[in-house]
Amino acid sequence: ETGVTQSPTHLIKTRGQQVTLRCSSQSGHNTVSWYQQALGQGPQFIFQYYREEENGRGNFPPRFSGLQFPNYSSELNVNALELDDSALYLCASSLGPGQGMTYEQYFGPGTRLTVT
Amino acid sequence: ILNVEQSPQSLHVQEGDSTNFTCSFPSSNFYALHWYRWETAKSPEALFVMTLNGDEKKKGRISATLNTKEGYSYLYIKGSQPEDSATYLCAFESPSNDYKLSFGAGTTVTVRA
Repeated sequence: ETGVTQSPTHLIKTRGQQVTLRCSSQSGHNTVSWYQQALGQGPQFIFQYYREEENGRGNFPPRFSGLQFPNYSSELNVNALELDDSALYLCASSLGPGQGMTYEQYFGPGTRLTVT
Repeated sequence: ILNVEQSPQSLHVQEGDSTNFTCSFPSSNFYALHWYRWETAKSPEALFVMTLNGDEKKKGRISATLNTKEGYSYLYIKGSQPEDSATYLCAFESPSNDYKLSFGAGTTVTVRA
């Protein structure tokens, strides 16, 4: 059973640029959630994708967007990068969206984004 | 935004000693409380999912208790070992937040040999 993988591991971008982060979900999982972890804070929920549709969004601006593919892998896109976007971005996959039923989330190792 | 607090922020423990730390969360609209262990350079790993008031879960030397009425959970490590060094995150799940996880900032445990 392959775990959750993320790419790239590290990334350095300049303010104003755009970035795409990728996540491969664990085999059999149809739900992917994305989190941003800034220094000294806990992971903050960005959004969740369930069967290729966005299924909930946290308090992040529209320049954070995502996609889920038929194989349930997912992308996080961030446009017009700002310095405050520097963070660790985690994705987690699960068997379901967890609305009314709790599913364990399996995390990837994260992508460290630095915006200069 | 649901307020989830963890204390202390960090702690140092001598090998062999036991320790515990706290996760505080809103006492209303509770659905579940998750605990994760996150070792450096690895992925966060699920430890427990707790749903019932008074729940106690155990995995090896690590255990957790849950009090949903007062809004707190304790995580205990018995006989700490260097491999227990990690950041321990709790996450609150609630219909108020559409069942999405609200994480605390974590407690970083360092076990000294």
